Amino acid sequence: QLHLQESGPGLVKPSETLSLTCTVSGVSVNSGSYYWGWIRQPPGKGLEWIGTVYYTGSTYYNSSLKSRVTISVDTSKNQYSLNLKSVTAADTAVYYCARRALMGEFEYWGQGTLVTVSS
Amino acid sequence: DIQMTQSPSTLSASVGDRVTISCRASQSISGWLAWYQQKPGKAPKLLIYKTSSLESGVPSRFSGSGSGTDFTLTISSLQPDDFATYFCQQYHSDSTFGQGTKVEIK
Repeated sequence: QLHLQESGPGLVKPSETLSLTCTVSGVSVNSGSYYWGWIRQPPGKGLEWIGTVYYTGSTYYNSSLKSRVTISVDTSKNQYSLNLKSVTAADTAVYYCARRALMGEFEYWGQGTLVTVSS
Repeated sequence: DIQMTQSPSTLSASVGDRVTISCRASQSISGWLAWYQQKPGKAPKLLIYKTSSLESGVPSRFSGSGSGTDFTLTISSLQPDDFATYFCQQYHSDSTFGQGTKVEIK
């Protein structure tokens, strides 16, 4: 059974780096049939795509976040990760990892993890 | 970047009503559009992809249509479990979500 689980600190200080990991079970991230993505949702607001990674390591980022974002995949651990540097309060959100079909829809989501940026 | 605009932002309806939610793209997205349902405190759930393809396990009362820049999600007969927020997503160029439509009890 497919399961995605986000993990990482729930509190990050301003100007520091937000780091999250998505652990995938039930399917290999090595599968060429999917991409793996990160999406976030500020409290009470809409969804924002952050970026996507393929098992080859190819990455695609939201242009508004591109200068601060790095997404990587670790096939040996069946995980992929998000790093967002120089965070501010505006980066406070629930962060979701999700499996993306080859065409582009996000077909399966993790439960999400709230990350608060505050000193 | 492609912008997605949903309307209305909030919709009040009763059980059994036919409900329509609109999503407009700032440029043609060639049908690369998905719809999601989100309930409070939960992750979004994929309902429809490629404009009108129903995700496995999703009730047939949900349907999608549209082309070019204008798309619609229809719920043919609203059920108690359908009160939620709905988002559209374009994936023609990277990915952008609409701001959401909350379907609430009238």
